[in-house]
Amino acid sequence: DQQVKQNSPSLSVQEGRISILNCDYTNSMFDYFLWYKKYPAEGPTFLISISSIKDKNEDGRFTVFLNKSAKHLSLHIVPSQPGDSAVYFCAASETGGSEKLVFGKGTKLTVNP
Amino acid sequence: NAGVMQNPRHLVRRRGQEARLRCSPMKGHSHVYWYRQLPEEGLKFMVYLQKENIIDESGMPKERFSAEFPKEGPSILRIQQVVRGDSAAYFCASSPTLAASTDTQYFGPGTRLTVL
Repeated sequence: DQQVKQNSPSLSVQEGRISILNCDYTNSMFDYFLWYKKYPAEGPTFLISISSIKDKNEDGRFTVFLNKSAKHLSLHIVPSQPGDSAVYFCAASETGGSEKLVFGKGTKLTVNP
Repeated sequence: NAGVMQNPRHLVRRRGQEARLRCSPMKGHSHVYWYRQLPEEGLKFMVYLQKENIIDESGMPKERFSAEFPKEGPSILRIQQVVRGDSAAYFCASSPTLAASTDTQYFGPGTRLTVL
């Protein structure tokens, strides 16, 4: 039973354009969401997070949008750069518990020069 | 300001041997999490520890797996009598504290375990 789903295994965009990565969740108890970026043979690197009391959080080229009613969040990268090519993982947790992260399977983003 | 350290980075074991994976959290962090990633999968939570305490081990297999985070030294994930299905990347993460809001978990580079 996958509680966090990333339905697109891969995404390819042109340099300079917008990349939109999507994530859906089923557990209504999740109230904190994170995006991690991962290069091969490395650990995940934290990118950006959002609490359920917000619907948008922005950090430079990265913006995360949260739609609680739809149980959906998305990561926007604009403009996309070749160095953004990596696997992006969406993760969720419940505050008040042990706060373990539940991860999606990831989306491999390729930014073409 | 060193990040989360894990060693070894690569570990090869034969079936039936023991595997010990070590994790040193970031300076000032007192919470350690272990995750496992199988090929083509996302990371799966295994266990959450604070110094000398296991807080949540709901993701740990019931047998052969154990974890500790002693008062001094790194956190250890121990796998006894390894089987081929244990082959995976094992990641450790740390966070500073569980305060009013969730603290971000920062990950180490992982240990890639191969069981022959």
